Amino acid sequence: ETVMTQSPATLSVSPGERATLSCRASQSVSNNLAWYQQKPGQTPRLLIYGASTRATGIPARFSGSGSGTEFTLTINGLQSEDFAVYYCQQYNDWPPLTFGGGTKVEIK
Amino acid sequence: EVQLLESGGDLVQPGGSLRVSCEASGFIFSSYAMSWVRQAPGKGLEWVSSISGSANRTYYADSVKGRFTISRDNSKNTLYLQLNSLRAEDTAIYYCAYRLYYYDFWGQGTLVTVSS
Repeated sequence: ETVMTQSPATLSVSPGERATLSCRASQSVSNNLAWYQQKPGQTPRLLIYGASTRATGIPARFSGSGSGTEFTLTINGLQSEDFAVYYCQQYNDWPPLTFGGGTKVEIK
Repeated sequence: EVQLLESGGDLVQPGGSLRVSCEASGFIFSSYAMSWVRQAPGKGLEWVSSISGSANRTYYADSVKGRFTISRDNSKNTLYLQLNSLRAEDTAIYYCAYRLYYYDFWGQGTLVTVSS
């Protein structure tokens, strides 16, 4: 099973600043990685798939990078609606499909 | 537009059974694999199970293998998850999700609570 580890667990950022979230895989997942955003009481929302491709309707301030075992989600110019929990998920080595534990982006 | 509507969540005793459903619309249901993902209260996301469009292939997380069964009725555009031998740790919101590898559409979820 491929274990996904996200860091940090919590990230405090001021509105307008950049947030950088990390996701590490226990073995290579190539570029078969997705990122999701989840706000309290809401369902997860797909942001990125293929490590760097934005999903339909996702603003350009969200970008994904990386391959193999190291991945990054960058949010430029954080807006109020971006404060949420973010999850990475690998779909290279399955079953099982595995998610990271999440990074909470909170207002500084 | 893809829409997924789960139902069937309930309070059930440990060892009990339950079937949750997901009614789909807005796409050719039989052409797509579907999945269940769950989220325990205050916790992260956990993939549970997936099924191919024709239902000839099913996949399960080790934590539910042998206890849960995924199925679908393509004539009714409905996905099912039969949950047997339920445990307290199965308490979660169960989300129906579109497709197999990553999920661009999710239902609102249905809450399954396992408690005596």
